[in-house]
Amino acid sequence: EADIYQTPRYLVIGTGKKITLECSQTMGHDKMYWYQQDPGMELHLIHYSYGVNSTEKGDLSSESTVSRIRTEHFPLTLESARPSHTSQYLCASSEIGAGGTQYFGPGTRLLVL
Amino acid sequence: KNEVEQSPQNLTAQEGEFITINCSYSVGISALHWLQQHPGGGIVSLFMLSSGKKKHGRLIATINIQEKHSSLHITASHPRDSAVYICAVHNDMRFGAGTRLTVKP
Repeated sequence: EADIYQTPRYLVIGTGKKITLECSQTMGHDKMYWYQQDPGMELHLIHYSYGVNSTEKGDLSSESTVSRIRTEHFPLTLESARPSHTSQYLCASSEIGAGGTQYFGPGTRLLVL
Repeated sequence: KNEVEQSPQNLTAQEGEFITINCSYSVGISALHWLQQHPGGGIVSLFMLSSGKKKHGRLIATINIQEKHSSLHITASHPRDSAVYICAVHNDMRFGAGTRLTVKP
């Protein structure tokens, strides 16, 4: 069973609020990822990291930012939430190297009113 | 055109049937993943393939690198197999749209 955690699981928040979605893994994985998935739609990579102090933007343009100060922690921040940010956010991690199996967290469902 | 195409989009089967889900991709890849997403949204990685075939219980995944095609097979399908199955190719992680499988008892 994968040891990757996301909090909160569900979040309802008003427009303009700053939010941080937490993701932690205890497997010592170097690579971590954030995906966004609208209901019934495809997963889209929005951010990834190869390790501490490494962050890269993914395929889908996102107004969110990420940081990687510790190997086990990869938080995602929205400075000013908008209704268009309503979605599910999934965090994953994998070992370094091409094609490593990704382990997914349970996801955070975000609703911005 | 999406770089990762899955078929079918939706699939309904009777319990016990043999299921095949297909994935074709148009980019060079280092590996291909099959993921299972349950109705609650949780995702489980089923297989990671770079060549050949893998089997885990009733699930079998194959990949043909030359043809840029992979298949996921489920033998003796069961209602608990009902989920969305997603093909993902690994360079920068491109995802298929998913196949929604419903297995009826």
